[in-house]
Amino acid sequence: SQELEQSPQSLIVQEGKNLTINCTSSKTLYGLYWYKQKYGEGLIFLMMLQKGGEEKSHEKITAKLDEKKQQSSLHITASQPSHAGIYLCGADPLTDYKLSFGAGTTVTVRA
Amino acid sequence: GAVVSQHPSRVICKSGTSVKIECRSLDFQATTMFWYRQFPKKSLMLMATSNEGSKATYEQGVEKDKFLINHASLTLSTLTVTSAHPEDSSFYICSARGTGSGSPLHFGNGTRLTVT
Repeated sequence: SQELEQSPQSLIVQEGKNLTINCTSSKTLYGLYWYKQKYGEGLIFLMMLQKGGEEKSHEKITAKLDEKKQQSSLHITASQPSHAGIYLCGADPLTDYKLSFGAGTTVTVRA
Repeated sequence: GAVVSQHPSRVICKSGTSVKIECRSLDFQATTMFWYRQFPKKSLMLMATSNEGSKATYEQGVEKDKFLINHASLTLSTLTVTSAHPEDSSFYICSARGTGSGSPLHFGNGTRLTVT
């Protein structure tokens, strides 16, 4: 099965500061998804990356998939309280569409 | 965009009773839906894949007789937790992939099940 390791497990940042979350796979990724979740709620789709070296941005969130397609990073610029939550990376295997998830990174933004 | 609706959002039941959770794709047809379970402060664990018109496929360690899945139509999958016990208390969340090439998985808002 595809093993995904996320780091850090949690982080606290001051509002306005940048932050980066990493997601590393034990296998080559066919697709890498980033979701955000507030605890006890559903997942909000952020971005999907499929090509090595691909980078996508949405508002102040940027995600990149490395050339070897085994690592992705999510970067938030000038963090705001609305960015607080749990960020999960999900790996898309080549077949059967069953996403496996990393353990998540809990982000706290302090005003 | 694609929307997945899950109902109920919260349910409390007594031990020994059964609870049904519905997952609907609102503006697209989903031949495959996925059911996940999430423990407190843990990541999502895939329980089973729900296939329209055929039997669900369960992940290793998931009891198919405990967690009954029915995918009766292209827009509806149901998860029934049978003879619920307190250890079944958890957050259950469904997902479905939208149509079109490269469409991501969309998730419902989840169901918080508490078994007393």
